[in-house]
Amino acid sequence: AQSVTQPDIHITVSEGASLELRCNYSYGATPYLFWYVQSPGQGLQLLLKYFSGDTLVQGIKGFEAEFKRSQSSFNLRKPSVHWSDAAEYFCAVDSNQAGTALIFGKGTTLSVSS
Amino acid sequence: GAVVSQHPSRVICKSGTSVKIECRSLDFQATTMFWYRQFPKQSLMLMATSNEGSKATYEQGVEKDKFLINHASLTLSTLTVTSAHPEDSSFYICSARDLSSLAGSKTQYFGPGTRLLVL
Repeated sequence: AQSVTQPDIHITVSEGASLELRCNYSYGATPYLFWYVQSPGQGLQLLLKYFSGDTLVQGIKGFEAEFKRSQSSFNLRKPSVHWSDAAEYFCAVDSNQAGTALIFGKGTTLSVSS
Repeated sequence: GAVVSQHPSRVICKSGTSVKIECRSLDFQATTMFWYRQFPKQSLMLMATSNEGSKATYEQGVEKDKFLINHASLTLSTLTVTSAHPEDSSFYICSARDLSSLAGSKTQYFGPGTRLLVL
């Protein structure tokens, strides 16, 4: 069965510092991988996605993620965090079958200190 | 990109009443939609898969008689919370795939969510 693990429940980063949020997945084949961000009381916004090809994917708001098959990881990074990046971040995996839903990790709460 | 809307965005109801939440794909047809539930400070949990023209498929532990799903058209799925109780208070989010294109079919588009508060 597919699963997604986000090891860090809560991370605090200073504004301007770099960020890496970890995501590990479990899936038999090559999955489709996603990162979403959710601000308090809001819906989900897609940051980036990986389907195939270049393992380093660029997303919106200056985020990027790298797919590492050997480590079953899809970590999210940003070189310089802004206070507005404080939010909940979810990693998700998709089996790429039309009738299946995304499986989400438990999320990582990002706090940004000044 | 494709747009999914939900209505209402927020609803407050009395215990024992029923609440209907609509999920619409605005610019594409969705044969399959998904309903998720999110409790405060928790992740999204899949409740059910809504299939146009057929019965929904519910995840283990989700009461099908309490959470009625109807997918009557290719652009509309509804979730009705019957006889709502305070423990049903949650954030309900729907999503859909655009199967008309290869690129679209790989991505699920999420609605903005509906916050339900049962008093």
